[in-house]
Amino acid sequence: EPEVTQTPSHQVTQMGQEVILRCVPISNHLYFYWYRQILGQKVEFLVSFYNNEISEKSEIFDDQFSVERPDGSNFTLKIRSTKLEDSAMYFCASPSQLYRTDTQYFGPGTRLTVL
Amino acid sequence: AQTVTQSQPEMSVQEAETVTLSCTYDTSESDYYLFWYKQPPSRQMILVIRQEAYKQQNATENRFSVNFQKAAKSFSLKISDSQLGDAAMYFCAYRSARGSQGNLIFGKGTKLSVKP
Repeated sequence: EPEVTQTPSHQVTQMGQEVILRCVPISNHLYFYWYRQILGQKVEFLVSFYNNEISEKSEIFDDQFSVERPDGSNFTLKIRSTKLEDSAMYFCASPSQLYRTDTQYFGPGTRLTVL
Repeated sequence: AQTVTQSQPEMSVQEAETVTLSCTYDTSESDYYLFWYKQPPSRQMILVIRQEAYKQQNATENRFSVNFQKAAKSFSLKISDSQLGDAAMYFCAYRSARGSQGNLIFGKGTKLSVKP
């Protein structure tokens, strides 16, 4: 299976602090997705990103969230002022083929714990 | 809006036996994709199998196969010769084929236990 990487694997932060989660999608792909999974619940879509712009976002993705592509290969998800309810697994996902976008492969996830 | 329903919160199977996990979905679209993802205790999301709605033939991947009933909007996963390593959460997911940027819509998952 194609590899998507994420760092850190686990992040612990205090409520109100900013966190930045990082992802490296499958090589050269322009499409990119962030999902969230609160413990014991289903995986929920946050935002999709195409060619340096947000293409879709869910109602979960409010003003405290932002996504960026700081360089050619890395993507980041920033949460500006974390809340207790932001504790979750955060997954990035990427299609594997440049011109075939129907199947998404997930990174290993970042477990965010907000205290 | 599309929805995905997995009505079995938990299932159990004996090692080497066959188990079927159910999934139904609701959509007004005619062209879409369906997926099953496996989530072991590590919480990594691993693609198991995919199905294109325009294909009548059911997808298979080794011991994993699906029963896709488009008219009934049903997409079940059959695991044959179950192994201990199959124990995990299984999520059914839907993706619209409209446009190239569609996000996945997941069901709530089925926790599969495999008994030795």
